[in-house]
Amino acid sequence: KNQVEQSPQSLIILEGKNCTLQCNYTVSPFSNLRWYKQDTGRGPVSLTIMTFSENTKSNGRYTATLDADTKQSSLHITASQLSDSASYICVVSDRGSTLGRLYFGRGTQLTVWP
Amino acid sequence: EADIYQTPRYLVIGTGKKITLECSQTMGHDKMYWYQQDPGMELHLIHYSYGVNSTEKGDLSSESTVSRIRTEHFPLTLESARPSHTSQYLCASTGWGQGVRDYNNEQFFGPGTRLTVL
Repeated sequence: KNQVEQSPQSLIILEGKNCTLQCNYTVSPFSNLRWYKQDTGRGPVSLTIMTFSENTKSNGRYTATLDADTKQSSLHITASQLSDSASYICVVSDRGSTLGRLYFGRGTQLTVWP
Repeated sequence: EADIYQTPRYLVIGTGKKITLECSQTMGHDKMYWYQQDPGMELHLIHYSYGVNSTEKGDLSSESTVSRIRTEHFPLTLESARPSHTSQYLCASTGWGQGVRDYNNEQFFGPGTRLTVL
């Protein structure tokens, strides 16, 4: 069964600190993995995309890693800001579907305190 | 800049009413999707469309229906709303449309409609 598991479920950090969010998946055949940021009451917005051959991808203060062998990904946030408070969702796409089927994790709810 | 729009953003309605949630995109995408999301839970696909006059049910059973008469428009209808329909509904699109925002089948999401049925 294709699944995406994220940890931790929620995280509270102080402004300026770093944090790392984890994602484990069993989706096969694998196409790509995205990290989305979803602000409260809004739709998800893509932060990074990683394909099978990519190990690291950065977008400003966000750095995603992918280990396709162990089927694990992480999202590292550097020097957190209050605006980083949101849900971060790991989304995996399978290669075998013309639909472009996506498998969603439940997200990690990040709260940044001043 | 919002290329995919959903209205209304919030809707509170009584049981038994008929409602239509609107979704429009200006990217010329052929594929469109409706997801349902409850607090703290993952998004569940309830409907999708490959193009005009194409609609399919998703993974999560839903009493709602959809239509795709125009490429840019993908409305979702509930004939008789019930409290169990209370949720957030997200519309998304992807495909070989115009512009550069079509990389690797990225799905672009609208802001969502928060539906509460009393």
